Formats: sequence, structure tokens, C-alpha cells
Amino acid sequence: EDKVVQSPLSLVVHEGDTVTLNCSYEVTNFRSLLWYKQEKKAPTFLFMLTSSGIEKKSGRLSSILDKKELFSILNITATQTGDSAVYLCAATQGGSEKLVFGKGTKLTVNP
Amino acid sequence: EAGVVQSPRYKIIEKKQPVAFWCNPISGHNTLYWYRQNLGQGPELLIRYENEEAVDDSQLPKDRFSAERLKGVDSTLKIQPAELGDSAVYLCASSLGPGRIAGELFFGEGSRLTVL
Repeated sequence: EDKVVQSPLSLVVHEGDTVTLNCSYEVTNFRSLLWYKQEKKAPTFLFMLTSSGIEKKSGRLSSILDKKELFSILNITATQTGDSAVYLCAATQGGSEKLVFGKGTKLTVNP
Repeated sequence: EAGVVQSPRYKIIEKKQPVAFWCNPISGHNTLYWYRQNLGQGPELLIRYENEEAVDDSQLPKDRFSAERLKGVDSTLKIQPAELGDSAVYLCASSLGPGRIAGELFFGEGSRLTVL
């Protein structure tokens, strides 16, 4: 059965801290891995990763994929209270548009 | 550019009642998805459309759930009759379709269903 596992499920940090969110996957015919940020409403797209070892960056967020070890990490440096959200990881299968989502990591950044 | 639009945002019904959700995807997006998200869980796919064709409905509980996407644009998701366990957020998403930045989905704000 295809699955995506995220850890930790919940994380509480102080502003300015750096956090690393983990995502491991077992998906047949894996094609790409995506990260989404979900605040109180719709998930918003952060990154799509298809190649191992190539870091993608957007401001204080960065992500990398390891296709050999079947995992990805999402790093957030100098966290701010606005980073508080649930971060979802999803894997896509080649030949279909199906996304398999993890349960998410709930990040709380305290002032 | 308008995003994915869903309605209603919130719906409270009693069990055994019917309910319907509506979704208007981003213009030009051929692929439309309905996901269900339970509290503390990631979204789970219910059905995926390519234009007006349902290409993956393996996770749709067909005894009580139905969906349609007439003319390959708007879509509706119906539950009849609703059960207590159907309480969740129903997310609609759209994407450009196969071969086009595959996997990048744009989500609507969701319809939160509470079944009493």
C-alpha cells in the first residue's frame, strides 16, 4: 500500500528557531514529492521535488529530496509566528495524477 | 486570476440528510479532484476527473457518494444519506492536467461538513 509518513506530527518552537520537518514515502512508480502549507483553510503549494540532491529554496524555506533513501526534508530558518501551520507532504505516482498525502506536521511558532 | 471556488464553506446537517458541494476550478485546468480531510489527517482522494471523465474513483464510497463534472468545468459532490462519520472538510483542487507541471494542485478553501 502506498504511504507517506511525516514526522514529527507536532512541533512547538520559539521565533528565530530553525526547524526540520521530515517526510518518508513508499509509493509505487514514484514521480515527485510536494510540500504544502495549510493554515486554517486551503493547502498552498510550496515546493515540488523530482530530482535527488537538488535543493529548492524560497526565502527562509528550503527542501531537498533523497530518492535513494525515499525521504524529503523541509527546513525553515529564522521561524516567525506566521510560519505556524500544518505542513503537508505528498508523493505523486507516474502515469497518474494521484497524490498520496501524509498526515502533516503541525508547527507552532511562539513569540 | 480567480482561484478554485467552493461552496458552501460550512454546512451542518442531521444524519440521513442529503448534502451537496460545488466546485469551480481555475479556468483552463482540465484535472479536478475532490479530497476529504478529517481532523488531524492529510487529504484523501475521493475522485479525480480529467475533463468530464472520472478517471480515478476507487476511493469514493459509491453507496452514498456521487459526483459529476458536466461539461468538464464545474463539479458537484453529493452525499446521500449523510452519516456521522462523513463530518470532514471536503476540498476541491484543480491542476493543468497530465504532463503539465504534474502534481501542482491548487486547492479551494474547502467545505466543512458537520453531521449531527
